[in-house]
Amino acid sequence: EVQLVESGGGLVEPGQSLTLSCTTSGFTFGDYVVNWIRQVPGKGLQWVAFAAHKPSHGTIAYDASVKGRFIVSRDESKSSAYLQMTSLTTDDTGVYYCTRGDSSNKVDSWGQGTLVTVSS
Amino acid sequence: DVVMTQSPLALSVTLGQPASISCRSSQSVVWSDGTSYLSWFHQRPGQSPRRLIYQASKRDSGVPDRFSGSGSDTDFTLKISRVEAEDVGVYYCMQGSYWPPITFGQGTRLEIK
Repeated sequence: EVQLVESGGGLVEPGQSLTLSCTTSGFTFGDYVVNWIRQVPGKGLQWVAFAAHKPSHGTIAYDASVKGRFIVSRDESKSSAYLQMTSLTTDDTGVYYCTRGDSSNKVDSWGQGTLVTVSS
Repeated sequence: DVVMTQSPLALSVTLGQPASISCRSSQSVVWSDGTSYLSWFHQRPGQSPRRLIYQASKRDSGVPDRFSGSGSDTDFTLKISRVEAEDVGVYYCMQGSYWPPITFGQGTRLEIK
């Protein structure tokens, strides 16, 4: 069974940092790309970051709203992905989902999400 | 950025009746290989989204055949032939052809009348 489990969410103050983890199982991690997608509670879905697998030459991409503040990475040996978030603002509040997909379709399976709340 | 626009934003359907959701992109999402990388997701209340359709019309494994996707270029449609109670929730379209960014529609909320 394909599983993606996010962790690391929590309550932080504006300007602080947080690192999310995505631990996967049930599939060959290196065969898939990872996308982080967030959702403000009660609102829609917003793509945040992309981390390709080796066949796609490790391409990384970010939404303009997080570029320069967030860093996405993957550890193939641990079948895990990470999202380092710095200089957080209240606009970064939301449920962060880790997803996997193939290089063409980008997103198929989703984790259960982890809630990040940025508030003073 | 490719803007995805869904309509309607809310849908109230009687059990057993059909439902249709439209998704329009601000530019063609047909990639150079001729494929539209357009997916549909369903999010039940309190759950993560689940993909139903990819490449505009291919149904994911385990998705009931009452769900179908169609369209190309800039106009796409998700149809449910006979709505069941478990179909409530929000439906999103997503394009992955021209990115970054990957973009989603606003979502369409389906409820049972």
